[in-house]
Amino acid sequence: DGGITQSPKYLFRKEGQNVTLSCEQNLNHDAMYWYRQDPGQGLRLIYYSQIVNDFQKGDIAEGYSVSREKKESFPLTVTSAQKNPTAFYLCASSPPLRTEAFFGQGTRLTVV
Amino acid sequence: GDSVTQMEGPVTLSEEAFLTINCTYTATGYPSLFWYVQYPGEGLQLLLKATKADDKGSNKGFEATYRKETTSFHLEKGSVQVSDSAVYFCALSESGGSNYKLTFGKGTLLTVNP
Repeated sequence: DGGITQSPKYLFRKEGQNVTLSCEQNLNHDAMYWYRQDPGQGLRLIYYSQIVNDFQKGDIAEGYSVSREKKESFPLTVTSAQKNPTAFYLCASSPPLRTEAFFGQGTRLTVV
Repeated sequence: GDSVTQMEGPVTLSEEAFLTINCTYTATGYPSLFWYVQYPGEGLQLLLKATKADDKGSNKGFEATYRKETTSFHLEKGSVQVSDSAVYFCALSESGGSNYKLTFGKGTLLTVNP
């Protein structure tokens, strides 16, 4: 089945450690996105990528980094510079010339 | 910049009640409009969409009409079920060039009681 796979579903890390969240899609979509969700805040865009080897900062990119070496993959690294990393992270992708996005199941990151 | 404002929740209804969740937007161009639904612990699923003024999106008994004159896209359902309990997000996408970023409202939690 085609879709977007995020792993792991739950992730626990110690404060000060970097952590990488995985996002893989087999939908052959060009564009991919990372959103952060906090209670009562809706979704906020972290980074997005329209094509391989290119990506742009979203509204809250500070403390995060991404790469887009393959069309299928768009991993997100939460660095130690991110002051409040505990949140629900959602990856999405969208096909060419279409405006809606398709979402993965999310990764809940808890920093202790 | 673009923004989406939706009614604050939580909204609690009895089964078979009528549902309205208000959504208004601010955009400089002619955005596409969406409603997404999120069930507990899951990602977002597209519920319905409309791409131009006066379009009506519909799915699973839910409807929303793109009203350019009032910049609104209110979600309605005539008879809700317990299984409709979820968080609902209104969203818009910028339509310029190849940039299709989505801007979301803060979400509205709906609880339907038997």
